[in-house]
Amino acid sequence: DAGVTQSPTHLIKTRGQHVTLRCSPISGHKSVSWYQQVLGQGPQFIFQYYEKEERGRGNFPDRFSARQFPNYSSELNVNALLLGDSALYLCASSPFPSDFSSYNEQFFGPGTRLTVL
Amino acid sequence: AQRVTQPEKLLSVFKGAPVELKCNYSYSGSPELFWYVQYSRQRLQLLLRHISRESIKGFTADLNKGETSFHLKKPFAQEEDSAMYYCALSGISSGSARQLTFGSGTQLTVLP
Repeated sequence: DAGVTQSPTHLIKTRGQHVTLRCSPISGHKSVSWYQQVLGQGPQFIFQYYEKEERGRGNFPDRFSARQFPNYSSELNVNALLLGDSALYLCASSPFPSDFSSYNEQFFGPGTRLTVL
Repeated sequence: AQRVTQPEKLLSVFKGAPVELKCNYSYSGSPELFWYVQYSRQRLQLLLRHISRESIKGFTADLNKGETSFHLKKPFAQEEDSAMYYCALSGISSGSARQLTFGSGTQLTVLP
């Protein structure tokens, strides 16, 4: 298993545009979480999905949305991009959502680097 | 609200010296705390969790609820320990399910 995969690796957009980022979890993992990591800061929680339903949402505007598909892959969508959306977007997968067990380790992907000009 | 503070952005120690990476948290409930590590050109990965009370790669971390701290320690640092370390707290925020809140990270450099 290649682990969590994310596409694309890098992306350049302009203000006002829309972007879709994709994530494939580790085989057998049913939960996917998304994080935004701005340069110099730690990852910040955006969403968690489990069995195609939203389990948690961080403090992000409605321009951010996500969904999970029957094969447990996930998409993160950001509308009306702002300069401040430039960041590394991380996807993490786990067998179950974080509130099921303290032993529920999250496995991170390599991230998608988004630059908004 | 839950918050994790890592006061040191950069930390350098010599090989063989003890190392301590500081982490303080703010959370009203019963916290679950973790240390994640990111080696150069590798993915973010779990190092250890407080509930396991385990030692991984010689690192240990003790949860001190009185001081709201979860410092990461290793008695003898090795050059391969050089990495970015993130302290993280799993807690319930704004009525949502448990979510991970990360600190801003400490870049550890172990000098030869």
